[in-house]
Amino acid sequence: KNEVEQSPQNLTAQEGEFITINCSYSVGISALHWLQQHPGGGIVSLFMLSSGKKKHGRLIATINIQEKHSSLHITASHPRDSAVYICAPQKTSGSRLTFGEGTQLTVNP
Amino acid sequence: NAGVTQTPKFQVLKTGQSMTLQCAQDMNHEYMSWYRQDPGMGLRLIHYSVGAGITDQGEVPNGYNVSRSTTEDFPLRLLSAAPSQTSVYFCASSFRQPSGNTIYFGEGSWLTVV
Repeated sequence: KNEVEQSPQNLTAQEGEFITINCSYSVGISALHWLQQHPGGGIVSLFMLSSGKKKHGRLIATINIQEKHSSLHITASHPRDSAVYICAPQKTSGSRLTFGEGTQLTVNP
Repeated sequence: NAGVTQTPKFQVLKTGQSMTLQCAQDMNHEYMSWYRQDPGMGLRLIHYSVGAGITDQGEVPNGYNVSRSTTEDFPLRLLSAAPSQTSVYFCASSFRQPSGNTIYFGEGSWLTVV
């Protein structure tokens, strides 16, 4: 079983919809990163969080350490949000990142 | 401020050839790392460095070599390329270990071994 499970693997939405991407992990962590990978491959860090909730513009990330679960929400989705979103928990042991396989999001106009 | 710069962006190698993927950062980051990304799998750590002169192996180090002679540069060497090394490679850096620090990625290097 993978240490990190993301769901869904693929998600298609209409512009304006509220999006939720989920991440469950099985290892002890000190922090969790959410990354965005655009077509063409570049990867950008969206959030790093170790508890609670963070918000940047239309993006919100939450984490529940006890339940080993994190969610990424996008409000009022837009076609430019189309990308792969990757969950990356930071292991407590060794401080290495471990990565989910990513969620491919497509937002249609 | 260029961030993390990787070169080349695309490369085709023949089996058995060697090559070096270059990675440079201008943010004075101590921690640098190399990952490979394959279809259906998450990013996997190849090698990492916590500072100049210090390197260590990640999950999938076989067939790769690294060195860290300066804070800025962290090249990845493929010693004798194999088709299994066809992948997309990403270099990344952060101020210290990624815990509590934002991680910055290069644009990626697409490598095909034929």
